[in-house]
Amino acid sequence: EPEVTQTPSHQVTQMGQEVILRCVPISNHLYFYWYRQILGQKVEFLVSFYNNEISEKSEIFDDQFSVERPDGSNFTLKIRSTKLEDSAMYFCASTKGRSYNEQFFGPGTRLTVL
Amino acid sequence: RKEVEQDPGPFNVPEGATVAFNCTYSNSASQSFFWYRQDCRKEPKLLMSVYSSGNEDGRFTAQLNRASQYISLLIRDSKLSDSATYLCVVNHDNAGNMLTFGGGTRLMVKP
Repeated sequence: EPEVTQTPSHQVTQMGQEVILRCVPISNHLYFYWYRQILGQKVEFLVSFYNNEISEKSEIFDDQFSVERPDGSNFTLKIRSTKLEDSAMYFCASTKGRSYNEQFFGPGTRLTVL
Repeated sequence: RKEVEQDPGPFNVPEGATVAFNCTYSNSASQSFFWYRQDCRKEPKLLMSVYSSGNEDGRFTAQLNRASQYISLLIRDSKLSDSATYLCVVNHDNAGNMLTFGGGTRLMVKP
């Protein structure tokens, strides 16, 4: 069964450093998403991406964040200058179409900012 | 007011019990509704979509009441493997197709 993959599984970084989280969505999917979950809190939407551009972003997704689909398979989330409060689990998701389609989630990248 | 609200639990039930979870949502324009399951430190996985007519999948039954903005999940004959956090999720079907998650209800099924 096809699945969303994410690398690395765990990333430790120093405050102020840049990090890039990588995702490979399911191959025939067209819509891509990033969500985050701070430990003990709910899953929160960050950004959605379709047709090589951002469709929607939340208040969390400020100028420190960016997304890119550099080739036909990868979908990346970059955090330019990490803060302590960026420590969270970051989930990538993808779906074939809009609305009623299931969003398939990757296993997540645990980001720890020291 | 929280957009999607759930009782955090935990619900501690014996094997074989029937347990019900409820969820309310604040945005009346919401169009799609789901229950996801999340195991500890794992990704959310779709359990079932929720339709106005109600729907059943084996031991799981989901109901939606649009007038009351209320969603429910019933689990019959609980198994140990049902122990997890159950997430109520709403899709506003706007341009970004974003999902809004509730905080989750934790279920622990004991032998």
